[in-house]
Amino acid sequence: DAGVIQSPRHEVTEMGQEVTLRCKPISGHNSLFWYRQTMMRGLELLIYFNNNVPIDDSGMPEDRFSAKMPNASFSTLKIQPSEPRDSAVYFCASSLAGSKQYFGPGTRLTVT
Amino acid sequence: EDKVVQSPLSLVVHEGDTVTLNCSYEVTNFRSLLWYKQEKKAPTFLFMLTSSGIEKKSGRLSSILDKKELFSILNITATQTGDSAVYLCAVEGYNNNDMRFGAGTRLTVKP
Repeated sequence: DAGVIQSPRHEVTEMGQEVTLRCKPISGHNSLFWYRQTMMRGLELLIYFNNNVPIDDSGMPEDRFSAKMPNASFSTLKIQPSEPRDSAVYFCASSLAGSKQYFGPGTRLTVT
Repeated sequence: EDKVVQSPLSLVVHEGDTVTLNCSYEVTNFRSLLWYKQEKKAPTFLFMLTSSGIEKKSGRLSSILDKKELFSILNITATQTGDSAVYLCAVEGYNNNDMRFGAGTRLTVKP
């Protein structure tokens, strides 16, 4: 199994640009999670989906952030417009029916 | 408000030492507690604990949960430099599937 796949692995962009992060969960998993990790705030849950439906997006920082899951094998996290304070590592994780989560390798985002 | 508190935040030991990492929690309708190890990449799963008093063991690592006192410990015996990492504790509630992570304990094992 390839595990959770995220792309890109690294993204450097200028303030104001749109950023799209992508995630492919483990095949057969029905829950998908987006996390953000920073030195200051640790690992924070942004949003999660069950069976492609967003369940809790209370962790999304503001309206500049949006996430979609058009099908069971793909999700995106979009930031528009991006700001320097969005610089972080963004992890995607998936799980099956509430069991342990498997994390992807993360996307390191730098907004200058 | 749900919260997860880990201690210590940082720990430096020498190879061969035994360490105990702590995780206390407050969560509505507790479902499970999980331990993850994070090196310079994504967290990797160590243990999932759902029942009090039952030790989970994997090699030199072991963990136990106390649902009455609302805490868990992660023990590492005969530490090695490869154990150096941040150890994260996370708690799930039955109300939803999300997990709340603690700030982590950064363990450094010196040769």
